[in-house]
Amino acid sequence: DAKTTQPPSMDCAEGRAANLPCNHSTISGNEYVYWYRQIHSQGPQYIIHGLKNNETNEMASLIITEDRKSSTLILPHATLRDTAVYYCIVRVVWDSGYSTLTFGKGTMLLVSP
Amino acid sequence: EAQVTQNPRYLITVTGKKLTVTCSQNMNHEYMSWYRQDPGLGLRQIYYSMNVEVTDKGDVPEGYKVSRKEKRNFPLILESPSPNQTSLYFCASRGTGTDTQYFGPGTRLTVL
Repeated sequence: DAKTTQPPSMDCAEGRAANLPCNHSTISGNEYVYWYRQIHSQGPQYIIHGLKNNETNEMASLIITEDRKSSTLILPHATLRDTAVYYCIVRVVWDSGYSTLTFGKGTMLLVSP
Repeated sequence: EAQVTQNPRYLITVTGKKLTVTCSQNMNHEYMSWYRQDPGLGLRQIYYSMNVEVTDKGDVPEGYKVSRKEKRNFPLILESPSPNQTSLYFCASRGTGTDTQYFGPGTRLTVL
């Protein structure tokens, strides 16, 4: 299984861009990178995912390096409600075709006024 | 509204008293999972189900049972709860052809 490494915590000022890094140096060619977040004690929420191209949706942008060994989640204009734990996850596909997402410890993002 | 619901949201019980936490989804998803979350350990998968009558163990299945008799429901059963099962539990579901999981609001269980 490809492992991910994230900083345990980050700070960001409200209104500024939050850039959350993730290292996944052992990722294999057919594994996707997923990002979820969890606001205190709520259920995790899907944000975005990608394979090798950069992706953008209404919540965030995902930048994946050309060698795919790392990625960055960008929240372009962070708000106080973006304070949460952000999980970078590499998709694991089992032989049966079933895939699962293994959640690590994530990055605690604190957005301050 | 597409959602995953769990009941109860909060439960305090005593050691050895059987309990069931229900999970239901209204998105016709094939895949459903149960996770527990503990401080410093992140989310760990307990059991998962790929479809009706198909279930399998996750990373931490000891002390738990599940069933999948209907597509929409995936109850988590603790036959004889113990204090080390005090945790925050999440149910999740996803459809075929996608890895986007939808999580329920969580059930905070305390076993005394």
